[in-house]
Amino acid sequence: AQSVTQLDSQVPVFEEAPVELRCNYSSSVSVYLFWYVQYPNQGLQLLLKYLSGSTLVKGINGFEAEFNKSQTSVHLRKPSVHISDTAEYFCAVLVDTGFQKLVFGTGTRLLVSP
Amino acid sequence: EAGVAQSPRYKIIEKRQSVAFWCNPISGHATLYWYQQILGQGPKLLIQFQNNGVVDDSQLPKDRFSAERLKGVDSTLKIQPAKLEDSAVYLCASSLVVAVNTEAFFGQGTRLTVV
Repeated sequence: AQSVTQLDSQVPVFEEAPVELRCNYSSSVSVYLFWYVQYPNQGLQLLLKYLSGSTLVKGINGFEAEFNKSQTSVHLRKPSVHISDTAEYFCAVLVDTGFQKLVFGTGTRLLVSP
Repeated sequence: EAGVAQSPRYKIIEKRQSVAFWCNPISGHATLYWYQQILGQGPKLLIQFQNNGVVDDSQLPKDRFSAERLKGVDSTLKIQPAKLEDSAVYLCASSLVVAVNTEAFFGQGTRLTVV
């Protein structure tokens, strides 16, 4: 079964520091990967998606992710975080079993402090 | 463009009571999803509609949960009777079609507390 594992439940970081949120996936078929952000009391918003092509994918709000097939990872990165980046981040894989659905990881809470 | 609308935003009920959530997707979106997000977990797909037909309801607890999308537009998710473990945020999402390059847009969710 296809699934995703987010290795860190919470990542504290100071403002303007770089951050990496880790995600590993398991898949035996074509891989389509997504990162979503959820701000407090809000729905999920798409940050970026990896479908094919370049292994470095740029998303919104200065985030990017590097897809590594050999390590089955798609870690999310930002070189300099802001207080406003404090949120929950979810990695997801698109599962295709005749119909397509997103399978989410358990999430990583990014806490940015001054 | 209006986003996915959900109501109510919050609901508190006692166990064994019934509750219903409403979702109005983005206009023209054929696909509608209901997700359950339990505290500390990622969203889990409960049911997926393509227009007014069910595509996937494999993780919907059908003994107590039901959902409909009669006219292929808005949708209702019902729980009857509710259990304590149903406490969660229920997210509705919609997309134009089901495809890998089509983004799903999420509503703000309904937070259900069962006491």
